[in-house]
Amino acid sequence: GAVVSQHPSRVICKSGTSVKIECRSLDFQATTMFWYRQFPKQSLMLMATSNEGSKATYEQGVEKDKFLINHASLTLSTLTVTSAHPEDSSFYICSARTSGHNEQFFGPGTRLTVL
Amino acid sequence: DAKTTQPNSMESNEEEPVHLPCNHSTISGTDYIHWYRQLPSQGPEYVIHGLTSNVNNRMASLAIAEDRKSSTLILHRATLRDAAVYYCILRGNDYKLSFGAGTTVTVRA
Repeated sequence: GAVVSQHPSRVICKSGTSVKIECRSLDFQATTMFWYRQFPKQSLMLMATSNEGSKATYEQGVEKDKFLINHASLTLSTLTVTSAHPEDSSFYICSARTSGHNEQFFGPGTRLTVL
Repeated sequence: DAKTTQPNSMESNEEEPVHLPCNHSTISGTDYIHWYRQLPSQGPEYVIHGLTSNVNNRMASLAIAEDRKSSTLILHRATLRDAAVYYCILRGNDYKLSFGAGTTVTVRA
C-alpha cells in the first residue's frame, strides 16, 4: 500500500524557535497533501491543503505566516512552525492523495513540544 | 460541511462482528462516505469508502442505506488490533476530510 513518512517523529524546541516538519510520499506521487494537527483527547483539525507547485490554502483561523507550507515536489511537503510557542505543542499529521484515487494516506505524525 | 453523527463508544468481544453506525442526513449527491481509523499516537489509516453501493475489502464492509442518509461499517471478526477510534467522514469534491469525534471501539479478549 501507499506509504507516507514524516520526519522528525518527535521534536522538542524552545519557545521562539522555528521547527520544520517533512512529509514524504514514498511510493507514489502526491498531487495533494494535507496538514492536520491534533491536540490531546481531540480529533484531527485540517490546517491547510497543499498542491504541488502552488500556494497552500489555509483553513479559517490558521495563520499562514506562522505555519509555512511548501510543496516543492510531488513527493515532499514541509510545514514550518515559525516562532513556536507552548500553545503550538501538538501532534502534527500530514496526508497525501494522488490524482484519480479517493483515499488519503496518512503519515505517522510528528509530536511537537514547545518549552 | 456535511456532518456525520456517530456513537461515542462501542464495545465488542474478540472474534465477534462489530457494526459501527453513522448518520449523515445532510449528505449531498456527490459526497463519498469515507471511513478511517486511528490508533493511539498514530496517524489515521484508511479503511473503506463508498458512494451508493455496498463495498467490501480485506479490512471491512460498508453498508450504505438506500437513501444514503446513513451507513454502517462492519468489522466481520474483531481482533484486539481493531481497537481504535473510527471516523465516518463525508468527502466532497475538494477532497478535504473533516474529522468528528468518531467512535472509540474497545475489543475485549
